[in-house]
Amino acid sequence: SQTIHQWPATLVQPVGSPLSLECTVEGTSNPNLYWYRQAAGRGLQLLFYSVGIGQISSEVPQNLSASRPQDRQFILSSKKLLLSDSGFYLCAWSAQAISGNTIYFGEGSWLTVV
Amino acid sequence: AQSVTQLGSHVSVSEGALVLLRCNYSSSVPPYLFWYVQYPNQGLQLLLKYTSAATLVKGINGFEAEFKKSETSFHLTKPSAHMSDAAEYFCAVSGDTGFQKLVFGTGTRLLVSP
Repeated sequence: SQTIHQWPATLVQPVGSPLSLECTVEGTSNPNLYWYRQAAGRGLQLLFYSVGIGQISSEVPQNLSASRPQDRQFILSSKKLLLSDSGFYLCAWSAQAISGNTIYFGEGSWLTVV
Repeated sequence: AQSVTQLGSHVSVSEGALVLLRCNYSSSVPPYLFWYVQYPNQGLQLLLKYTSAATLVKGINGFEAEFKKSETSFHLTKPSAHMSDAAEYFCAVSGDTGFQKLVFGTGTRLLVSP
């Protein structure tokens, strides 16, 4: 069966520091990969998605970037964090090529920028 | 463009009462519709999804939802609430565009009192 792992689970970082959140998927190949952010009291906002290695699409302009160095690895990064980057970050995956596929989520990473 | 509106950021019910969480969608293409549940500090778990087969969709934990095209609605119901149902519920929509991107509503927090 497929599993998705995301780490770290909790992170407290000072303003201006770098960020790296990692996500890996097991049990499938060539998945679509996603990063969502959930701010307090708000819904989920799609930040990035990827259909293959090195292929990243950004949904909103922001202080963050994403990379996909391997087929089942997705990394969310920032060079200098802002207070507004605080939130709950969720990595997710879906199978490719078929519309209506379910998107499966990781357990999330709490980021607090202080 | 697609969007989802969830009416009511909070819904309170008593244990054993009917649960009704409302979701209305907007989509220019035939939609795929999803309900996810999020327990505190966890990722999202799929409850059920509509993919144009049956309009009444049954999911996990006794939940079901009915797709009503004329009303552009996909409300989530459960006949009898349990304390363990207390969580946040998200409705989401995606379109038949060949790539799976979910657009989420802002969520409804379900509170269950004894």
